[in-house]
Amino acid sequence: DIVMTQSPDSLAVSLGERATIHCKSSQTVLYTSNNKNYLAWYQQKPGQPPKLLIYWASTRESGVPDRFSGSESGTDFTLTISSLQAEDVAIYYCQQYYNIPYTFGQGTKLEIK
Amino acid sequence: QITLKESGPTLVKPTQTLTLTCTFSGFSLTTSGVGVGWIRQPPGKALEWLALIYWDDDKRYSPSLKSRLTITKDTSKNQVVLTMSNMDPVDTATFYCAQKDYYASGSFNYWGQGTLVTVSS
Repeated sequence: DIVMTQSPDSLAVSLGERATIHCKSSQTVLYTSNNKNYLAWYQQKPGQPPKLLIYWASTRESGVPDRFSGSESGTDFTLTISSLQAEDVAIYYCQQYYNIPYTFGQGTKLEIK
Repeated sequence: QITLKESGPTLVKPTQTLTLTCTFSGFSLTTSGVGVGWIRQPPGKALEWLALIYWDDDKRYSPSLKSRLTITKDTSKNQVVLTMSNMDPVDTATFYCAQKDYYASGSFNYWGQGTLVTVSS
């Protein structure tokens, strides 16, 4: 199984400041045939299902604010919120869909400082 | 718009078989590239992918749970059914179904609200 390790487990950021969440995969999730990383980011608020934010590691889902961005460097992936808003308080998960079983990170809890 | 909704028992006894139904609208499970998957989340814990069925009836399972899972589809009813046998208290979780489009995002674009299943005698 591909292990997805997120850091930190929790994060407190001031409103308007940048929040950065990291995710590392235990092996590549890059299909060389199409040069795409099979990596997604989800946001989950209390009592709600996960919401897709980013797919192919850096493509923003339709309707997601542009303060959310994804990037990659090898097997290291980053979700950045450029200017934290109160409504961004949530748990964030990365997920690989390169191999079966699809696996999620353990989650990063983002709070307001 | 695309919606999915999970239904099934909220309480099952240990050793029983759980049957969950995902009823969806706004897309067809006969469209090339489309799939419906199941993901569970124990209270306060992370997400765990369980199973996936594609438009062409290709089925994929989590290897660690494969012996206990069965996923089927009924395209005429727009439903996907997941059965999980030999339930145990550690299987207590919220179960979600979600739509996946292999040729679009490749990931789970749309999710149901989830259904909490408690395993207890």
